[in-house]
Amino acid sequence: EPEVTQTPSHQVTQMGQEVILRCVPISNHLYFYWYRQILGQKVEFLVSFYNNEISEKSEIFDDQFSVERPDGSNFTLKIRSTKLEDSAMYFCASSGLRDRGGTQYFGPGTRLLVL
Amino acid sequence: LAKTTQPISMDSYEGQEVNITCSHNNIATNDYITWYQQFPSQGPRFIIQGYKTKVTNEVASLFIPADRKSSTLSLPRVSLSDTAVYYCLVGGLTGGGNKLTFGTGTQLKVEL
Repeated sequence: EPEVTQTPSHQVTQMGQEVILRCVPISNHLYFYWYRQILGQKVEFLVSFYNNEISEKSEIFDDQFSVERPDGSNFTLKIRSTKLEDSAMYFCASSGLRDRGGTQYFGPGTRLLVL
Repeated sequence: LAKTTQPISMDSYEGQEVNITCSHNNIATNDYITWYQQFPSQGPRFIIQGYKTKVTNEVASLFIPADRKSSTLSLPRVSLSDTAVYYCLVGGLTGGGNKLTFGTGTQLKVEL
């Protein structure tokens, strides 16, 4: 069964450093998403991406965040200058044309720790 | 998006059937009901989705009454590995690209 994959599984960085989180969505999917989950809290939507542009973004997704689909397979989330409060699990998700609204397939996540 | 309400936690024993009910009084005509499962430190996993009546797959059943103001996720004969957080989400019929709004979910604990 196809899966969404994410790398790295864990990332430790210093405050102010840039990080890039990588995702490989399911191959025939066209919609891509990033979510995050701070320890003990809800899963929060960050951004959705379709046709090489952002479809929707949340208030969390400020100028420090960016997304890119640099090639036909990868989907990345960049945090330009990390803050302590960016420490969280970051989940990538994807969905296809045949998936109804509400159906998304999540990756295993990247645990980001900002020191 | 329709707001959902579900119990914060539930306890069960192996082999029992577990029913988790979600209230969504303001569900819209074009909203589907979707349930996700999340294990600690893992991404949410799609379990089942329905619009009305009953839907069954290899993992669970979803019961939706005629007024669609609530839904019940039924897990038959749970095992320890079903210990997880279960989320009820309500969202549009339209295709992809729609954000998912997760609540706090129901923490299901299954014991021997």
